[in-house]
Amino acid sequence: EIVMTQSPATLSVSPGERATLSCRASQSVNSNLAWYQQKPGQAPRLLIYGASTRATGVPARFSGSGSGTEFTLTISSLQSEDFAVYYCQQYNNWPVTFGQGTRLEIK
Amino acid sequence: EVQLLESGGGLVQPGGSLRLSCAASGFTIGSYAMSWVRQAPGKGLEWVSVISGSGTNTFYADSVKGRFTISRDNSKNTLYLQMNSLRAEDTAVFYCAKEACSSTSCWMEYWGQGTLVTVSS
Repeated sequence: EIVMTQSPATLSVSPGERATLSCRASQSVNSNLAWYQQKPGQAPRLLIYGASTRATGVPARFSGSGSGTEFTLTISSLQSEDFAVYYCQQYNNWPVTFGQGTRLEIK
Repeated sequence: EVQLLESGGGLVQPGGSLRLSCAASGFTIGSYAMSWVRQAPGKGLEWVSVISGSGTNTFYADSVKGRFTISRDNSKNTLYLQMNSLRAEDTAVFYCAKEACSSTSCWMEYWGQGTLVTVSS
């Protein structure tokens, strides 16, 4: 099973600033990597798939990069609605696996 | 508009059974792979099971293999998860998800709001 490790566990950033979230896979997942956003009491929402392709309706301030084992989600200018938990997920191998999440909080 | 509505969760005793349903609208489930993912209270996401678009292939996480069964009724546009021999560690919110696929792989494009399963005596 591929282990996905996200860092940091918690990230404190001020509104308007840039946030950079990292995700590492224990072996190569090529570009088969997705990012999801989850707000309290809500279901996860797909943000990025294919490591760098924004899902429908996702604002341009969200961008994904990386391939192989190292991936990054960048939020260029944080809005109040962006403070949430973010999960990466690999879907290159069965079983698909998620990282443990990064909590993005207001500084 | 794609919508997924889970139901069937509740309180069940250890060793008991429960069947979750996921009613889909805005698309035809028979044309897509569908998954179940769960989230224990205060914890992260764990994939549980997937059924292929054709319905002929199913896969399960080791933690539920032999106890859970995924199925679909295309005439009702509904996905199911039959859960038997439930354990305390199965306590979680269960989400159904519609998959989107490239030529080689699939990701979870749309998610329902979830249904809570609590296993406790």
